[in-house]
Amino acid sequence: GQQLNQSPQSMFIQEGEDVSMNCTSSSIFNTWLWYKQDPGEGPVLLIALYKAGELTSNGRLTAQFGITRKDSFLNISASIPSDVGIYFCAGQFRGAQKLVFGQGTRLTINP
Amino acid sequence: DADVTQTPRNRITKTGKRIMLECSQTKGHDRMYWYRQDPGLGLRLIYYSFDVKDINKGEISDGYSVSRQAQAKFSLSLESAIPNQTALYFCATSPGTMHSSYNEQFFGPGTRLTVL
Repeated sequence: GQQLNQSPQSMFIQEGEDVSMNCTSSSIFNTWLWYKQDPGEGPVLLIALYKAGELTSNGRLTAQFGITRKDSFLNISASIPSDVGIYFCAGQFRGAQKLVFGQGTRLTINP
Repeated sequence: DADVTQTPRNRITKTGKRIMLECSQTKGHDRMYWYRQDPGLGLRLIYYSFDVKDINKGEISDGYSVSRQAQAKFSLSLESAIPNQTALYFCATSPGTMHSSYNEQFFGPGTRLTVL
């Protein structure tokens, strides 16, 4: 099946640092979504992207739909302790009715 | 109140037992999904339903069955549970294609299932 490669798998940073993570695919995607999952909870939608080149912010989070339509990036600025969790990318490739999820990026923040 | 609820939140059972996980939503969404989450493997789709009369297999449907009892209810059954079905199970919903955001999925809190 279709695969999303999400990197890095884990990040260990200091509070206040900026964070970057990305997802890539071999297929063209029509939609990119970014989710965050807190321990013991379900994923929560952070940002949805629908157009190539689209850049969307949600507070300190910014995500971009890559120009090639095969990748997406999520940046977190000035990280704080509540940013800890697992971040997932998800995408819908052309012609599909379902989402494909990346393996997740686990973010750990040292105070 | 939560828009997507799952029951139970935790369940421990034995090999060979039949288990049902239930999902209810108040979002008015047509589409509902069941996912399984294992460490390092992300979310994998088990079954999905685009309306009450529509049921589709996902990538890992073997050993599972589902029932869409109403627009708001979608249950997942393990007919004869086995230990490698130990995982976190999530229900999700999304609007139908009449909505521009039709593929934005909203997740329930999850059910942690342990099969001994």
